[in-house]
Amino acid sequence: AQTVTQSQPEMSVQEAETVTLSCTYDTSESNYYLFWYKQPPSRQMILVIRQEAYKQQNATENRFSVNFQKAAKSFSLKISDSQLGDTAMYFCASGGGRDDKIIFGKGTRLHILP
Amino acid sequence: NAGVMQNPRHLVRRRGQEARLRCSPMKGHSHVYWYRQLPEEGLKFMVYLQKENIIDESGMPKERFSAEFPKEGPSILRIQQVVRGDSAAYFCASSPGRGANTEAFFGQGTRLTVV
Repeated sequence: AQTVTQSQPEMSVQEAETVTLSCTYDTSESNYYLFWYKQPPSRQMILVIRQEAYKQQNATENRFSVNFQKAAKSFSLKISDSQLGDTAMYFCASGGGRDDKIIFGKGTRLHILP
Repeated sequence: NAGVMQNPRHLVRRRGQEARLRCSPMKGHSHVYWYRQLPEEGLKFMVYLQKENIIDESGMPKERFSAEFPKEGPSILRIQQVVRGDSAAYFCASSPGRGANTEAFFGQGTRLTVV
C-alpha cells in the first residue's frame, strides 16, 4: 500500500521569499511517480510538478523544483521568489506501479504574505 | 479541447435522497478516477474506471456508493440514501492512459451538501 505524509499543515512566508514544503512517502513499488498539486481557492487541482522515480535528476518547472531523496523516500517542493498567486493548498501525491491510482497527502496550506 | 467537466458544481440533497455526480473526461481520455475531499483534508481515492470496466474500487464504501463509465456518455458516481457524512467535494480526473505515467487532469469538483 502507498502512503503519503505531509507534516506541515500550514505555512506562511513573505512574498519573494523561498519556501520548502515537506513530503515523505512509502511504497512497495519499484517504478512509481511523485507529484505536487496546487489547489487554489477556486478548488481546481493543478499539477505543479512531477518526478519519475527512476530519474535521479530533480524535476524543475520555472520557480518550482523538487528535492527527491529516493533512499529516504522524501520529496520536498521548493518555491523560489514566491508570489501572492502561490497562495493555495499544496498536495503531495504518489502513483504508478501496479495499483495505478494516485494517493494524496493531507496537504499543506501555504500563505504568501504581501 | 475542453477540460474535464463535472456537473453539477453544487448539489444539495436531503438525507435519504439520491445524488448523481457526472464527469465528462477530456476528449480522447478513456480512464477516469473519482476522489472525495472532506473539509481540510486531502483527496481520498474512491474508484478507477475505464470504459465499461471498474478497474479498482478499493476506496469505495461498501454500501450506497456505485460508479459507472459507460461506452457512451459521462462517468457517473451515484450515492443512494445520502447521509450528512457524505457531504464533501467529489473530484473526477481523467487520463489518456493507464497509470500515473500519464498526467491526470482534474475537473473542478462537485460540492455535495446533505441537509
